[in-house]
Amino acid sequence: QVQLQESGPGLVKPSETLSLTCTVSGGSFSVYYWSWIRQPPGKGLEWIGSIFHSGSTNYNPSLKSRVSMSVDTSVNQFSLKLSSVTAADTATYYCARADHSYDSSGSRYYYFDYWGQGSLVSVSS
Amino acid sequence: QSVLTQPPSVSGAPGQRVTISCIGSSSHIGADFDVHWYQQLPGTAPKLLIYANNVRPSGVPDRFSGSKSGTSASLAITGLQGEDEADYYCQTYDSSLSDPWVFGGGTKLTVL
Repeated sequence: QVQLQESGPGLVKPSETLSLTCTVSGGSFSVYYWSWIRQPPGKGLEWIGSIFHSGSTNYNPSLKSRVSMSVDTSVNQFSLKLSSVTAADTATYYCARADHSYDSSGSRYYYFDYWGQGSLVSVSS
Repeated sequence: QSVLTQPPSVSGAPGQRVTISCIGSSSHIGADFDVHWYQQLPGTAPKLLIYANNVRPSGVPDRFSGSKSGTSASLAITGLQGEDEADYYCQTYDSSLSDPWVFGGGTKLTVL
């Protein structure tokens, strides 16, 4: 059974850097994209970025200038750093595994099949 | 504004059938995209409910079904139960977009 667990500070000061780590247990770490998704209180889901086991990344353009993701395959972990945070970055941050398949035209598509329980990060002085 | 549009809320009585729509913006996304659905129970993480338009992962009851036609997708729930009260999100992946992983705004299902 695949399990994901977020860890990191629950409180970050404005202008500082938010750092979270996701530890994956069960299943293979390769083949998949590993992703971060956030949800501000009372709002919907926002994809932050995804990293392949090789280290290649995709980031949401609206956050790209502040986001950095890394992966450590030796311990099945991947991490998120979000710099220069403001109150608008207050959210529950989820890590998730993105599996893939192929549509009728042969194009690859991804969906999130396993999620962590979420980590609430508040930005406040 | 998301490229996937969902109604903010739907409701139904126990035992009834409800549907949740997910409409893709043709100006941003082509017609040949697959839609996935997630259920988020109150206070919990989202859970994959349907992938590839109409495939249920193991353990998801067959009361849940998905369909897609053109740039519109739908999630149907039959035999509505109180435990189905949750937020539902559609999602797609399109490598031609600058943010390829896209979620709809979410729909709150209320069981009356």
